[in-house]
Amino acid sequence: AQSVTQLDSHVSVSEGTPVLLRCNYSSSYSPSLFWYVQHPNKGLQLLLKYTSAATLVKGINGFEAEFKKSETSFHLTKPSAHMSDAAEYFCVVTPSGTYKYIFGTGTRLKVLA
Amino acid sequence: ETGVTQTPRHLVMGMTNKKSLKCEQHLGHNAMYWYKQSAKKPLELMFVYSLEERVENNSVPSRFSPECPNSSHLFLHLHTLQPEDSALYLCASSQDPPGGTGYNEQFFGPGTRLTVL
Repeated sequence: AQSVTQLDSHVSVSEGTPVLLRCNYSSSYSPSLFWYVQHPNKGLQLLLKYTSAATLVKGINGFEAEFKKSETSFHLTKPSAHMSDAAEYFCVVTPSGTYKYIFGTGTRLKVLA
Repeated sequence: ETGVTQTPRHLVMGMTNKKSLKCEQHLGHNAMYWYKQSAKKPLELMFVYSLEERVENNSVPSRFSPECPNSSHLFLHLHTLQPEDSALYLCASSQDPPGGTGYNEQFFGPGTRLTVL
């Protein structure tokens, strides 16, 4: 069965320090992978997507993610956190041949001044 | 308006009421989705429409009734809901349904915060 696991439900970082949000997936076939961000009382916004063209994917607001097939991981990183990055982040896998987007349980990022 | 819009943004209803949630996408997409987002639970896919045809019904109770009159509009009709149905209901659209050869990201609306008393 396909699934996605976000390893941390909460992450706290200081402003200006690196961010790492971890995601592992399980999929029988080559999946599509996405990261979304949700600010309070807002809908979800796409940060980046894995399209198989490159394993290192750059997204908006300085975020990037690296697809590692051998580790079945798609971790999200940012070199320097900003206060506006405080939000909830969702890793999503779409197994090929299905109508389903499978969401992780989310990681809430807190940025400390 | 651009993107995906949802109305109303907030809704309070009693268990015997009938109400409808509306979603409109201005992106020319062919697939639309309803999700339920409850506190401390993963996002739950409820319904998927592709070219106005329902292609996924994820074991949703019959008190939730979707309608897709055209590719730009999606409704969720609500009837005799329960307090546990209180949640944020999100609408999304994508160019095509997932699972094909493309990598279709979803575009989400801001959601309707529903409270059932």
